[in-house]
Amino acid sequence: DTEVTQTPKHLVMGMTNKKSLKCEQHMGHRAMYWYKQKAKKPPELMFVYSYEKLSINESVPSRFSPECPNSSLLNLHLHALQPEDSALYLCASSRMETGGPLGSPLHFGNGTRLTVT
Amino acid sequence: AQKITQTQPGMFVQEKEAVTLDCTYDTSDPSYGLFWYKQPSSGEMIFLIYQGSYDQQNATEGRYSLNFQKARKSANLVISASQLGDSAMYFCAMRGGGLTGGGNKLTFGTGTQLKVEL
Repeated sequence: DTEVTQTPKHLVMGMTNKKSLKCEQHMGHRAMYWYKQKAKKPPELMFVYSYEKLSINESVPSRFSPECPNSSLLNLHLHALQPEDSALYLCASSRMETGGPLGSPLHFGNGTRLTVT
Repeated sequence: AQKITQTQPGMFVQEKEAVTLDCTYDTSDPSYGLFWYKQPSSGEMIFLIYQGSYDQQNATEGRYSLNFQKARKSANLVISASQLGDSAMYFCAMRGGGLTGGGNKLTFGTGTQLKVEL
């Protein structure tokens, strides 16, 4: 069983809907991530939260809005998405490292498969 | 900027044989970490093995070993005694530090689809 839990597993939404993806971890990790993955492509980083503060935003469109309510939870709020936003959305967490060999792996959840109709 | 290159889109291996998945990288960071992940068709990203840029010895984890050649900037994954359950997509990834503040950014290569055959 993965230690990072994502809900829901599958989500179908229309372009005018508002929905949220949720991610939870209880490993005491203070870095949390959202990645987007299209079929047969590598994951692409969207956002990084460090100590509950947004530290990296990879120029993601504003229709994606991340939120980190506490050190265990990470949300991704979705609004007015486009069909091309359909993808697997992966949440991950890791220990914080700001230097050195950066050996802490990212622990990923099972992802949410999002379909925008 | 960091770049990870995986030149093998797909690989086949016979069950119980060993297989090497290639990965080369490019970075200007003096300190970095290299990772391999496995992604079955179910979608979960499974961490396999880690190699630090200052590590003197190649990393090993069970049937997985990492052939790290720093001068050539390569970090190939070797899977010994392949099993049917090893069929999956394999990603090489890197985290860099340095002064850019990108220490928490994990960059992935394009992946290699491995199929283990009877």
